[in-house]
Amino acid sequence: DGGITQSPKYLFRKEGQNVTLSCEQNLNHDAMYWYRQDPGQGLRLIYYSQIVNDFQKGDIAEGYSVSREKKESFPLTVTSAQKNPTAFYLCASSIGTSLDEQFFGPGTRLTVL
Amino acid sequence: GIQVEQSPPDLILQEGANSTLRCNFSDSVNNLQWFHQNPWGQLINLFYIPSGTKQNGRLSATTVATERYSLLYISSSQTTDSGVYFCAVERVGGQNFVFGPGTRLSVLP
Repeated sequence: DGGITQSPKYLFRKEGQNVTLSCEQNLNHDAMYWYRQDPGQGLRLIYYSQIVNDFQKGDIAEGYSVSREKKESFPLTVTSAQKNPTAFYLCASSIGTSLDEQFFGPGTRLTVL
Repeated sequence: GIQVEQSPPDLILQEGANSTLRCNFSDSVNNLQWFHQNPWGQLINLFYIPSGTKQNGRLSATTVATERYSLLYISSSQTTDSGVYFCAVERVGGQNFVFGPGTRLSVLP
């Protein structure tokens, strides 16, 4: 089946630790995105990548880092510099051209204790 | 940046009722999507509709790009329609989507 997978589904970490969230897609999409969602809120863009080895900051990139070494994978690292990392994280992908739909993975709920 | 507003913020319906959700945006867009977020957090694509009207079963959507709004119609609502409905837009010349704050729909049996 083609789709977007995120792992793990739930993640607990101690304050001050870096943590990496996985996002993989087998849709052959060029563009991938990371969003953050806080309870009762909409989605805010963290980072996006339109091509391998290139990525751009979104609206709330501080405290996060990404890499795009493969077309299929776009991992997100939540660093200790992120002041309030507890949130629901969603990964998405699209073919990559303008005028294109985004498709979302199931999300990762990160709780920092 | 572009501003996206959705109304109403919350909506409670009896099963079988119809509803209209609205999305207003502050700038010209070349891309607009409607999503349904289910209770487990999964975002489900409903419509890709930068302009015009589309229908899919009990749901339909209309975007009037020149007047900067989109409408999502839900007819004969069911309890499984409950959740949060988001619109997301990509402004002309932009490279990414901006999401509205969502409309939380509760359909009661």
